[in-house]
Amino acid sequence: DTAVSQTPKYLVTQMGNDKSIKCEQNLGHDTMYWYKQDSKKFLKIMFSYNNKELIINETVPNRFSPKSPDKAHLNLHINSLELGDSAVYFCASSRRQGIMNTEAFFGQGTRLTVV
Amino acid sequence: KNEVEQSPQNLTAQEGEFITINCSYSVGISALHWLQQHPGGGIVSLFMLSSGKKKHGRLIATINIQEKHSSLHITASHPRDSAVYICAVRSGNQFYFGTGTSLTVIP
Repeated sequence: DTAVSQTPKYLVTQMGNDKSIKCEQNLGHDTMYWYKQDSKKFLKIMFSYNNKELIINETVPNRFSPKSPDKAHLNLHINSLELGDSAVYFCASSRRQGIMNTEAFFGQGTRLTVV
Repeated sequence: KNEVEQSPQNLTAQEGEFITINCSYSVGISALHWLQQHPGGGIVSLFMLSSGKKKHGRLIATINIQEKHSSLHITASHPRDSAVYICAVRSGNQFYFGTGTSLTVIP
């Protein structure tokens, strides 16, 4: 019974293509995130959505566009893929409780390889 | 300079050894997370801390809010503990991650 699920797990595609990665959480959380893990294993936040509303948008190329059809889903669409987009992308969610602390749950990651 | 610094970057230990991984951060936080990333890539959340100490099996995590420092300890280490351990802090709705500590436990 997966809490945060991402699909696909692996994605190999040619430069210039457009691809999407899907993320779903069944935890009833209000906030979802996309992270990129680079070759040095460094995790960087890309986007954060709270109740379908964009609240964090770090400096990423505008080829990356998140889409949140409802608060249980946050999909990542990437246009005109480049070699440098190759990385592992992680989706995560957390329950927003104002000032209360909350645990983050991560998906298993999507390994994107652009050739 | 990263908001979250971990040490050491790489660690090799013999099975049974006591292991400590350190994390220092520079931002105000509401919570600190220790994550484990297996060789296959998946990330598991081990602990979430806002104060004091937590224990789960052979894993112990401590945090000192005043010193902005946390430690993850593994007692009686085992080869299956081999993974990358990542410290992450939550500041508002933002997470900042350390670069991880790659642990290898040799039988």
